[in-house]
This record gives sequence, C-alpha cells and structure tokens, in this order.
Amino acid sequence: ETGVTQTPRHLVMGMTNKKSLKCEQHLGHNAMYWYKQSAKKPLELMFVYSLEERVENNSVPSRFSPECPNSSHLFLHLHTLQPEDSALYLCASSQRDDSYEQYFGPGTRLTVT
Amino acid sequence: GQNIDQPTEMTATEGAIVQINCTYQTSGFNGLFWYQQHAGEAPTFLSYNVLDGLEEKGRFSSFLSRSKGYSYLLLKELQMKDSASYLCAVRANFGNEKLTFGTGTRLTIIP
Repeated sequence: ETGVTQTPRHLVMGMTNKKSLKCEQHLGHNAMYWYKQSAKKPLELMFVYSLEERVENNSVPSRFSPECPNSSHLFLHLHTLQPEDSALYLCASSQRDDSYEQYFGPGTRLTVT
Repeated sequence: GQNIDQPTEMTATEGAIVQINCTYQTSGFNGLFWYQQHAGEAPTFLSYNVLDGLEEKGRFSSFLSRSKGYSYLLLKELQMKDSASYLCAVRANFGNEKLTFGTGTRLTIIP
C-alpha cells in the first residue's frame, strides 16, 4: 500500500450506531488530519494531530472522537450521529517540519439514516 | 476570521486557456495552495505560492499577490481530463498546519 488509505470507503449507519473510520498513511509523515466535505460547502478541518498529539480541534461536536495511536494511524470514532453529519470524510497527512503539501486519502462516504 | 472566495462554476473549451481566481481575507498569511479534485476522488496538490509572482508547472501556473489578497490558477492547453473541482486554500501561520479552503470551482471542459 502506498500513500494514504481509508476504510471503509462507504458507510451507512443509523443514528444510534457506533462506528469507526480508519486512516493509514505510508509516507512517513508526522501530521495527520480529518476533514469533512459536504456538498456545496468548503472542505472543513475537524482535527489535526502532530507528532501524535491533538493540536487542533475545530469546535467539532463530541459525537466525533478522534484517536491517533501512532504516527501512521488515525481513527474517527462516531456515535449517535445526526443525518446532517452525512458527508465525505477525508483523511490527510503531511510532514510538519518541512513539506507544506497535504496528501489526501480517498475518503469515506458516510450516510446517517 | 477567514474568508476565501472563488467562482462556483466555470466552463471552458478543450485546447483553450482558463483562469480561476481566488480572493482571500485571513488573519494571517503563510502560503496559498491549489488542489484538484475529480468527482468522487481525493484532492491532489497542484501548486503552492508564498511569495508574490508566478509559479509555473507544466500546463498549470499559479499567481499570487499578497497585497491584494488575490491568486489565480491558469490552465493551458485544456484537456477533457481537466474537468474537476479546483480548491483554493490558505495557511495562516507558519508551523500551524491548518488550511482554510474555499468552496471550490467546478470546471467543465467541453469539446
């Protein structure tokens, strides 16, 4: 595997379910990000982890809970979501000390019913 | 606060040139990025400007004027595969990895 991978690619869940999104980067980067992309809205930054510490939490509701167990893996735990949380969730990584370029994964298309 | 504006949609003809504009008002500035996103795919990096002027990379060029809060992405010799959304993003502070994105410009190339 190369680049940034995300699983699952598609997820349908009810409002009472608990699920997790997984992201893995194979680029040796030390910063990872979660973004939300909704139709006709800008890409919204949710969380930033740098050197496995959360450095940004963009006023995201507590029903979204990130976890970064090491520099290669990032999770987004979901519970009691709302239909308006349906969106494309993108993971990205970068090398914080040097490069400016963020590499994105293919995203998870989430539908909350 | 942060505000980034770009046109919602544009159409251009195969083989022609198109310019996509982006204006920004941010509390700080340390770089402007352009990303390309095909439908259903991840955004991919196109260009980065931190100093005024033009950066050229093959068929794509990006221009920045910091005093005007303005950038454009220029695409030459358009191909059908250039049909995509083009996202403008600004980084406010060096060392802070937060990017603020515009809504994106959906470009359609017609034969």
